Amino acid sequence: DADVTQTPRNRITKTGKRIMLECSQTKGHDRMYWYRQDPGLGLRLIYYSFDVKDINKGEISDGYSVSRQAQAKFSLSLESAIPNQTALYFCATSRQGAGDTQYFGPGTRLTVL
Amino acid sequence: AQSVTQLGSHVSVSEGALVLLRCNYSSSVPPYLFWYVQYPNQGLQLLLKYTSAATLVKGINGFEAEFKKSETSFHLTKPSAHMSDAAEYFCAVSDGNQGGKLIFGQGTELSVKP
Repeated sequence: DADVTQTPRNRITKTGKRIMLECSQTKGHDRMYWYRQDPGLGLRLIYYSFDVKDINKGEISDGYSVSRQAQAKFSLSLESAIPNQTALYFCATSRQGAGDTQYFGPGTRLTVL
Repeated sequence: AQSVTQLGSHVSVSEGALVLLRCNYSSSVPPYLFWYVQYPNQGLQLLLKYTSAATLVKGINGFEAEFKKSETSFHLTKPSAHMSDAAEYFCAVSDGNQGGKLIFGQGTELSVKP
């Protein structure tokens, strides 16, 4: 089984709808991250969490919120989706430390019509 | 602030030819540097990383990268390209002041011609 899982893998929604993307990990890592990938822009950090009680905004947090329900679960919400939030979303995890590898989930492809 | 620049959004090589993907970084403190690969419809997978040990880092699938502080570079190379190397490659930087956050480059798509 995959160490980092994301659900759903694909989602099409309409402008104004609320949507939640979920991430679970079995690696036992404390740190979890949400990124979005856009062509030509690489990956950009939306939110990150160093433990259940520590949540921080990343580079592009406007329009998004997160919830760290447990060490293993980190959800990303779009309260009112808009078309420019159409992107590929990735969850990642790591142990403590700046040099530690981040392990990525398979991604969620979100389309907002 | 940290930043990463990958030169060339698309690189095309012939099978068996040298692969060279360029990455330059900016960081005010000693950096940690990473190369990740993304195969179609998959997540990112670590190829290799530099964490202040040896400046020449060997990774998976025959890739290696050399950290050159004077040039602020961390270019990725492979002596002989294989068709299975076709993917998108991302360079990323992190440092001790950022608690493990990664800053990614724009990505380079590698095509391998038969």
